[in-house]
Amino acid sequence: NAGVTQTPKFRVLKTGQSMTLLCAQDMNHEYMYWYRQDPGMGLRLIHYSVGEGTTAKGEVPDGYNVSRLKKQNFLLGLESAAPSQTSVYFCASSYPLQPYEQYFGPGTRLTVT
Amino acid sequence: GENVEQHPSTLSVQEGDSAVIKCTYSDSASNYFPWYKQELGKGPQLIIDIRSNVGEKKDQRIAVTLNKTAKHFSLHITETQPEDSAVYFCAATSTGNQFYFGTGTSLTVIP
Repeated sequence: NAGVTQTPKFRVLKTGQSMTLLCAQDMNHEYMYWYRQDPGMGLRLIHYSVGEGTTAKGEVPDGYNVSRLKKQNFLLGLESAAPSQTSVYFCASSYPLQPYEQYFGPGTRLTVT
Repeated sequence: GENVEQHPSTLSVQEGDSAVIKCTYSDSASNYFPWYKQELGKGPQLIIDIRSNVGEKKDQRIAVTLNKTAKHFSLHITETQPEDSAVYFCAATSTGNQFYFGTGTSLTVIP
């Protein structure tokens, strides 16, 4: 089992460019999540999905879009990157019942110049 | 929404001593409280969790306590070792689809 994988690991974008971050999990988890991590702010939920074909907004959804066309994949898109989106992005997945243990990917470090 | 506060932000202890990290939450509907350890350059990893119907849970050197009335929960690490040095996060959720995280505690264990 690879667990949760994320691609790419690093990326540098210019303001206004677009990109897609890919998250894949092989644990047959229903729930998937995208977080951003900024210094001193912990992890903040961007969007989440409770199943294939469904997505919902989290705490900080502005400037991001997501899609969950397949159960194992959760894509995070930035249509027009801004310097405020410089962050480390983590994907996670879990089962829908307690104990809700989340498994995190290794992260993507994104810099927007 | 839920608000989770975590203290302290940094903590240094001598090897062999105990470390305690505290979190408070605001939403009385929260019913699951995990703790994560994050090592440099890696994603967070669950180390222990507690459900709202339990007051304390222990796993070897790690324990978590929950006070539902006061809305706070704590992580206790005994007999600390250098490999315990990392950033620790608490979190809370009521539904399992939205987790609210604390701002993290950077623990340093001094050999």
